[in-house]
Amino acid sequence: KAGVTQTPRYLIKTRGQQVTLSCSPISGHRSVSWYQQTPGQGLQFLFEYFSETQRNKGNFPGRFSGRQFSNSRSEMNVSTLELGDSALYLCASSLTTGGDGSPLHFGNGTRLTVT
Amino acid sequence: AQTVTQSQPEMSVQEAETVTLSCTYDTSESDYYLFWYKQPPSRQMILVIRQEAYKQQNATENRFSVNFQKAAKSFSLKISDSQLGDAAMYFCAYRSGIQGAQKLVFGQGTRLTINP
Repeated sequence: KAGVTQTPRYLIKTRGQQVTLSCSPISGHRSVSWYQQTPGQGLQFLFEYFSETQRNKGNFPGRFSGRQFSNSRSEMNVSTLELGDSALYLCASSLTTGGDGSPLHFGNGTRLTVT
Repeated sequence: AQTVTQSQPEMSVQEAETVTLSCTYDTSESDYYLFWYKQPPSRQMILVIRQEAYKQQNATENRFSVNFQKAAKSFSLKISDSQLGDAAMYFCAYRSGIQGAQKLVFGQGTRLTINP
C-alpha cells in the first residue's frame, strides 16, 4: 500500500507570494493533518481535515488555509508569504479522527524556503 | 494545554549498546496516547512505538521498549542493541483520547547518534 505522498518536495518562493502544497493520504484514510516543523518552534499543528471538513485548527494566522477533497486528498495554502514561513511542512493521514489512538502516518514533507 | 518535554537535545551510543531517551509530559486528562516517532535525514516521521495510557503494561516493539510511569508522567524509550540505522531525531508525542482530538503535541526532539 502506498504511503502518504506530498508534492512538491522542495519549493522556493519570494516574500508576498502564495504557495499551495499537496498531500495524498494512504488509501482508505479519511483524516489528514498538517504540521509545520522549524528549528526554533519544533513541530506545530496547523489543521486537520476529515471527510472534507476542517475538524481542528492550530494557532496560525488566517494566511494559512487548507481544504480536503472528496477523494481525501488535501491541499494547504499559504498566502502573502513571510520569511518566517520557511519550514518543513508535514502531512499525516489516519484512519480515524482520533480518540482511539490510531497512529498518524507521515509523508516526507515539503521544504518551503521563502526569500 | 498539554505539553511534552524532551530534556536531552542530543544523545550518542556505541553500536550494539543500549540507550534510553527521556520524555515527560503534562496533562490533566486521564485518557490519552503516547508515541515515539523517528525522523531520519529522509525527513519522514516514522512511528516507533505507541502506548495507551490506560494500559499499565509497557509497550514493546522488537528492540524498542518504553518505560511508562503514568503517575510521574514519564515516557522513556529504550533502544537495545543499537544499530547504525537507528541514528535519527526522536520525537515523543502526546494525543488526547477525546474523540475528534487528532492533534499530536510533540516534544522538541532528541538527536541520536550511533557510534560504530
